[in-house]
Amino acid sequence: DQQVKQNSPSLSVQEGRISILNCDYTNSMFDYFLWYKKYPAEGPTFLISISSIKDKNEDGRFTVFLNKSAKHLSLHIVPSQPGDSAVYFCAASVGSGNTPLVFGKGTRLSVIA
Amino acid sequence: DSGVTQTPKHLITATGQRVTLRCSPRSGDLSVYWYQQSLDQGLQFLIQYYNGEERAKGNILERFSAQQFPDLHSELNLSSLELGDSALYFCASSSHRESYEQYFGPGTRLTVT
Repeated sequence: DQQVKQNSPSLSVQEGRISILNCDYTNSMFDYFLWYKKYPAEGPTFLISISSIKDKNEDGRFTVFLNKSAKHLSLHIVPSQPGDSAVYFCAASVGSGNTPLVFGKGTRLSVIA
Repeated sequence: DSGVTQTPKHLITATGQRVTLRCSPRSGDLSVYWYQQSLDQGLQFLIQYYNGEERAKGNILERFSAQQFPDLHSELNLSSLELGDSALYFCASSSHRESYEQYFGPGTRLTVT
């Protein structure tokens, strides 16, 4: 039973355009959400996060939107750059921190120059 | 560089054998997590240690065990290895404060032949 789902295994976007990566979750107890980026042969790197009490968090080119009623979050990257090409994982957590993360299977983003 | 180190980077062994994976967390982090990533899967949580004590357990097989030592480094022991244990094993650490972000090491790629 997958609690965090990333239904698009891959996404291809032109350089300079917007990339939108989607994530759905089923566990209503999740109260914190994170996005990680992973390059080949490296560990996942924390990118951006959002608490369930917010609906938007922005950090430079990266914005995460949370729709609690739909149990859906998305990561927007604007403008997309070739260096953004990587696998993006959505993760969720329950509690006040220092707890295990539940990950989706990831979406491979390719930004074409 | 996340500050989390893992050794070895690659490990090739035969079925039925036993291996030990090692992780050193970021300086000052008391929590260590182990995750497994099999082919085309997301990261699956195995086990968490906090300041030497087991704190949470995920889908960890009975053939697997872990511990965290007084210097806070952690080891994951995998025994009676099967072909299906071939995967990437990641270690992550987080601060002792209420912290959702986890910082990942580069992983150990285990191949069981």
